[in-house]
Amino acid sequence: NAGVTQTPKFRVLKTGQSMTLLCAQDMNHEYMYWYRQDPGMGLRLIHYSVGEGTTAKGEVPDGYNVSRLKKQNFLLGLESAAPSQTSVYFCASRTLAGGRQETQYFGPGTRLLVL
Amino acid sequence: KQEVTQIPAALSVPEGENLVLNCSFTDSAIYNLQWFRQDPGKGLTSLLLIQSSQREQTSGRLNASLDKSSGRSTLYIAASQPGDSATYLCPYNTDKLIFGTGTRLQVFP
Repeated sequence: NAGVTQTPKFRVLKTGQSMTLLCAQDMNHEYMYWYRQDPGMGLRLIHYSVGEGTTAKGEVPDGYNVSRLKKQNFLLGLESAAPSQTSVYFCASRTLAGGRQETQYFGPGTRLLVL
Repeated sequence: KQEVTQIPAALSVPEGENLVLNCSFTDSAIYNLQWFRQDPGKGLTSLLLIQSSQREQTSGRLNASLDKSSGRSTLYIAASQPGDSATYLCPYNTDKLIFGTGTRLQVFP
């Protein structure tokens, strides 16, 4: 049981390049989330999904797109990377059963540097 | 504005001390509050989850309390150890998690 995994662990991009971050969970969770963590700021929600085929915007969605084609995977895309997107990205998931009382499980993070 | 404030921002103590980390939040209608630890370069590990109907939760040397009316939670760490060194986060849940910047704890031998 791997929990929540993220690929890649680290990436360097040039401004304007595109990339996709992959989050996978093997806990059959319905909800999945993407956060970013920046120095001096708390984790902020980018996008989330409440089930396969659904996505919704979080607090800071601009410049990102997401897709949830399979229940176990949640992809975060940067179409044209900007230096302001340099950050550590965390994926999380939680079960629907038990409702909002349930905890979120976090992946190890992806460090992204945009030059 | 939804906000979490954690005091102190950083703390350095010798091994064996009992510690209190403070967390204050702005919403009173929360589902739960959770304490996580984050090791450098790592993800978040859940320590304790306190539901809105609960006053406290305990796990080993850790005890967390929740006072919704005052918007406060505290994490008590007994007999601290160098392995407790990490950043501690206390997001609260109002259908999404609201995070503060955490308390960075260093326990030295």
